[in-house]
Amino acid sequence: AQSVAQPEDQVNVAEGNPLTVKCTYSVSGNPYLFWYVQYPNRGLQFLLKYITGDNLVKGSYGFEAEFNKSQTSFHLKKPSALVSDSALYFCALKGGGSQGNLIFGKGTKLSVKP
Amino acid sequence: GAGVSQTPSNKVTEKGKYVELRCDPISGHTALYWYRQSLGQGPEFLIYFQGTGAADDSGLPNDRFFAVRPEGSVSTLKIQRTERGDSAVYLCASSPLVVATGELFFGEGSRLTVL
Repeated sequence: AQSVAQPEDQVNVAEGNPLTVKCTYSVSGNPYLFWYVQYPNRGLQFLLKYITGDNLVKGSYGFEAEFNKSQTSFHLKKPSALVSDSALYFCALKGGGSQGNLIFGKGTKLSVKP
Repeated sequence: GAGVSQTPSNKVTEKGKYVELRCDPISGHTALYWYRQSLGQGPEFLIYFQGTGAADDSGLPNDRFFAVRPEGSVSTLKIQRTERGDSAVYLCASSPLVVATGELFFGEGSRLTVL
Protein backbone atom coordinates (compact mmCIF):
# COMPACT_ATOMS: atom_id res chain seq x y z
CA ALA A 1 0.00 0.00 0.00
CA GLN A 2 1.16 3.50 -0.74
CA SER A 3 1.48 5.85 2.18
CA VAL A 4 3.07 8.99 3.55
CA ALA A 5 4.26 9.47 7.10
CA GLN A 6 5.10 12.67 8.92
CA PRO A 7 6.60 11.47 12.19
CA GLU A 8 6.46 14.80 14.01
CA ASP A 9 3.18 16.41 15.01
CA GLN A 10 5.00 19.66 15.82
CA VAL A 11 8.38 21.23 15.16
CA ASN A 12 9.59 24.21 17.14
CA VAL A 13 12.36 26.42 15.78
CA ALA A 14 13.87 29.75 16.74
CA GLU A 15 13.76 32.46 14.11
CA GLY A 16 16.91 32.50 12.02
CA ASN A 17 17.71 28.86 12.68
CA PRO A 18 17.46 26.17 10.00
CA LEU A 19 14.32 24.06 9.96
CA THR A 20 13.54 20.54 8.82
CA VAL A 21 10.11 18.96 8.53
CA LYS A 22 10.31 15.22 7.97
CA CYS A 23 8.42 13.04 5.52
CA THR A 24 8.83 9.41 4.56
CA TYR A 25 6.89 7.51 1.95
CA SER A 26 6.07 4.06 0.70
CA VAL A 27 5.21 3.48 -2.96
CA SER A 28 5.61 0.95 -5.70
CA GLY A 29 7.35 2.50 -8.65
CA ASN A 30 8.70 6.00 -8.93
CA PRO A 31 7.25 8.50 -6.47
CA TYR A 32 5.79 11.88 -7.25
CA LEU A 33 6.11 13.90 -4.05
CA PHE A 34 4.74 17.24 -2.99
CA TRP A 35 4.78 19.67 -0.08
CA TYR A 36 1.82 21.88 0.71
CA VAL A 37 1.42 24.53 3.42
CA GLN A 38 -1.75 25.59 5.22
CA TYR A 39 -1.82 28.94 6.97
CA PRO A 40 -4.60 29.63 9.49
CA ASN A 41 -7.93 30.29 7.75
CA ARG A 42 -6.31 29.85 4.36
CA GLY A 43 -6.47 27.14 1.75
CA LEU A 44 -3.67 24.67 1.14
CA GLN A 45 -0.89 26.16 -0.96
CA PHE A 46 1.57 24.30 -3.12
CA LEU A 47 5.22 24.70 -2.08
CA LEU A 48 7.23 22.34 -4.24
CA LYS A 49 7.32 18.98 -5.98
CA TYR A 50 9.69 16.20 -6.91
CA ILE A 51 9.01 14.32 -10.12
CA THR A 52 12.40 13.36 -11.44
CA GLY A 53 15.86 14.82 -11.80
CA ASP A 54 17.84 16.59 -9.12
CA ASN A 55 17.31 15.27 -5.63
CA LEU A 56 17.29 18.80 -4.19
CA VAL A 57 14.14 20.63 -5.18
CA LYS A 58 13.64 24.34 -4.63
CA GLY A 59 10.24 25.87 -4.07
CA SER A 60 8.35 28.90 -2.88
CA TYR A 61 9.31 31.18 0.04
CA GLY A 62 12.87 29.86 0.22
CA PHE A 63 11.89 26.29 0.99
CA GLU A 64 13.62 23.28 -0.48
CA ALA A 65 13.26 19.54 -0.12
CA GLU A 66 15.66 16.68 -0.49
CA PHE A 67 14.57 13.46 -2.12
CA ASN A 68 16.40 10.42 -0.78
CA LYS A 69 15.45 7.21 -2.51
CA SER A 70 17.44 4.86 -0.28
CA GLN A 71 15.82 6.29 2.84
CA THR A 72 12.43 6.84 1.13
CA SER A 73 12.36 10.35 2.52
CA PHE A 74 11.45 13.78 1.24
CA HIS A 75 12.29 16.20 4.05
CA LEU A 76 11.38 19.87 3.79
CA LYS A 77 14.09 22.35 4.71
CA LYS A 78 14.81 26.03 5.00
CA PRO A 79 18.19 27.53 5.93
CA SER A 80 16.77 30.36 8.05
CA ALA A 81 13.29 30.21 9.53
CA LEU A 82 10.94 33.19 9.75
CA VAL A 83 8.13 33.71 12.23
CA SER A 84 5.82 33.97 9.22
CA ASP A 85 6.71 30.37 8.28
CA SER A 86 4.61 29.17 11.20
CA ALA A 87 1.90 27.03 9.66
CA LEU A 88 0.77 23.46 9.04
CA TYR A 89 2.85 21.55 6.50
CA PHE A 90 1.66 18.53 4.55
CA CYS A 91 3.69 16.05 2.55
CA ALA A 92 1.81 14.33 -0.27
CA LEU A 93 2.36 11.43 -2.64
CA LYS A 94 0.70 10.71 -5.90
CA GLY A 95 -1.19 7.44 -5.59
CA GLY A 96 -0.98 4.80 -8.25
CA GLY A 97 -3.86 4.25 -10.63
CA SER A 98 -5.21 7.76 -10.47
CA GLN A 99 -3.82 11.03 -11.65
CA GLY A 100 -5.93 12.94 -9.20
CA ASN A 101 -5.42 10.94 -6.07
CA LEU A 102 -2.89 12.65 -3.82
CA ILE A 103 -2.19 10.85 -0.55
CA PHE A 104 -1.47 13.34 2.22
CA GLY A 105 0.36 12.90 5.48
CA LYS A 106 -1.22 13.96 8.78
CA GLY A 107 0.61 17.24 8.76
CA THR A 108 3.30 18.85 10.92
CA LYS A 109 2.72 22.07 12.76
CA LEU A 110 5.72 24.36 12.48
CA SER A 111 6.13 26.99 15.15
CA VAL A 112 8.85 29.61 14.70
CA LYS A 113 9.51 31.77 17.74
CA PRO A 114 11.20 35.19 17.65
CA GLY B 1 -12.02 36.29 -7.65
CA ALA B 2 -9.03 34.49 -9.10
CA GLY B 3 -8.97 31.54 -6.68
CA VAL B 4 -11.12 28.51 -5.97
CA SER B 5 -14.31 29.57 -4.25
CA GLN B 6 -16.27 27.31 -1.90
CA THR B 7 -19.67 27.95 -0.38
CA PRO B 8 -20.85 27.87 2.28
CA SER B 9 -17.75 28.41 4.38
CA ASN B 10 -19.59 26.94 7.37
CA LYS B 11 -22.60 24.65 7.49
CA VAL B 12 -24.27 23.31 10.61
CA THR B 13 -26.94 20.69 10.10
CA GLU B 14 -28.76 18.01 12.00
CA LYS B 15 -28.20 14.31 11.68
CA GLY B 16 -30.23 12.88 8.84
CA LYS B 17 -30.45 16.07 6.81
CA TYR B 18 -29.31 16.61 3.23
CA VAL B 19 -26.40 18.94 2.48
CA GLU B 20 -24.95 20.50 -0.67
CA LEU B 21 -21.49 22.05 -0.85
CA ARG B 22 -20.50 24.12 -3.86
CA CYS B 23 -17.15 24.64 -5.53
CA ASP B 24 -16.33 27.23 -8.17
CA PRO B 25 -12.92 26.41 -9.65
CA ILE B 26 -10.40 28.71 -11.24
CA SER B 27 -11.61 29.71 -14.68
CA GLY B 28 -10.23 27.44 -17.37
CA HIS B 29 -9.20 24.63 -15.04
CA THR B 30 -10.48 21.38 -16.46
CA ALA B 31 -9.76 19.17 -13.46
CA LEU B 32 -11.62 19.49 -10.16
CA TYR B 33 -11.04 17.55 -6.96
CA TRP B 34 -12.86 17.05 -3.67
CA TYR B 35 -11.03 16.14 -0.48
CA ARG B 36 -12.18 15.79 3.11
CA GLN B 37 -10.07 16.87 6.08
CA SER B 38 -10.98 15.66 9.52
CA LEU B 39 -9.57 17.30 12.64
CA GLY B 40 -5.89 16.52 13.07
CA GLN B 41 -5.65 14.66 9.79
CA GLY B 42 -4.41 15.36 6.31
CA PRO B 43 -6.80 15.78 3.39
CA GLU B 44 -8.39 12.55 2.19
CA PHE B 45 -9.26 12.13 -1.48
CA LEU B 46 -12.92 11.77 -2.37
CA ILE B 47 -13.41 12.28 -6.11
CA TYR B 48 -12.04 14.09 -9.09
CA PHE B 49 -13.52 15.29 -12.36
CA GLN B 50 -11.96 15.75 -15.73
CA GLY B 51 -14.42 18.04 -17.47
CA THR B 52 -17.96 16.94 -16.69
CA GLY B 53 -17.23 13.33 -15.89
CA ALA B 54 -16.08 11.80 -12.65
CA ALA B 55 -12.76 10.22 -13.59
CA ASP B 56 -12.18 8.64 -10.20
CA ASP B 57 -14.71 8.41 -7.38
CA SER B 58 -12.91 5.72 -5.43
CA GLY B 59 -12.60 7.90 -2.35
CA LEU B 60 -16.30 8.46 -1.77
CA PRO B 61 -16.99 6.66 1.53
CA ASN B 62 -20.44 5.33 0.67
CA ASP B 63 -23.49 5.92 -1.50
CA ARG B 64 -24.67 8.81 0.67
CA PHE B 65 -22.01 10.91 -1.02
CA PHE B 66 -22.41 12.10 -4.59
CA ALA B 67 -20.84 14.86 -6.66
CA VAL B 68 -21.71 16.45 -9.98
CA ARG B 69 -20.14 18.88 -12.39
CA PRO B 70 -22.76 19.22 -15.12
CA GLU B 71 -21.15 21.95 -17.22
CA GLY B 72 -17.53 21.24 -16.52
CA SER B 73 -17.07 24.20 -14.21
CA VAL B 74 -18.95 24.48 -10.91
CA SER B 75 -19.23 21.30 -8.88
CA THR B 76 -21.59 20.32 -6.08
CA LEU B 77 -20.86 17.71 -3.44
CA LYS B 78 -24.07 16.22 -2.11
CA ILE B 79 -24.40 14.34 1.16
CA GLN B 80 -27.61 12.53 2.00
CA ARG B 81 -28.79 11.45 5.44
CA THR B 82 -25.85 13.14 7.13
CA GLU B 83 -24.19 11.45 10.09
CA ARG B 84 -22.09 12.94 12.87
CA GLY B 85 -19.04 11.24 11.39
CA ASP B 86 -19.44 13.36 8.25
CA SER B 87 -18.33 16.41 10.22
CA ALA B 88 -15.15 17.68 8.58
CA VAL B 89 -13.76 20.38 6.33
CA TYR B 90 -14.53 19.61 2.71
CA LEU B 91 -11.85 20.93 0.38
CA CYS B 92 -12.15 21.59 -3.30
CA ALA B 93 -9.19 22.03 -5.62
CA SER B 94 -8.70 22.59 -9.32
CA SER B 95 -5.86 22.33 -11.79
CA PRO B 96 -5.34 23.24 -15.44
CA LEU B 97 -5.37 19.59 -16.41
CA VAL B 98 -5.05 16.27 -14.75
CA VAL B 99 -1.37 15.52 -14.64
CA ALA B 100 0.58 13.96 -11.86
CA THR B 101 3.20 16.65 -12.10
CA GLY B 102 0.83 19.52 -11.66
CA GLU B 103 -0.02 21.41 -8.53
CA LEU B 104 -3.50 21.67 -7.12
CA PHE B 105 -5.09 25.01 -6.24
CA PHE B 106 -7.23 24.63 -3.14
CA GLY B 107 -10.15 26.63 -1.86
CA GLU B 108 -10.50 27.55 1.80
CA GLY B 109 -12.93 24.73 2.41
CA SER B 110 -16.46 24.24 3.69
CA ARG B 111 -16.65 23.28 7.35
CA LEU B 112 -19.53 20.88 7.91
CA THR B 113 -20.80 20.19 11.41
CA VAL B 114 -23.45 17.53 11.87
CA LEU B 115 -25.19 17.72 15.24
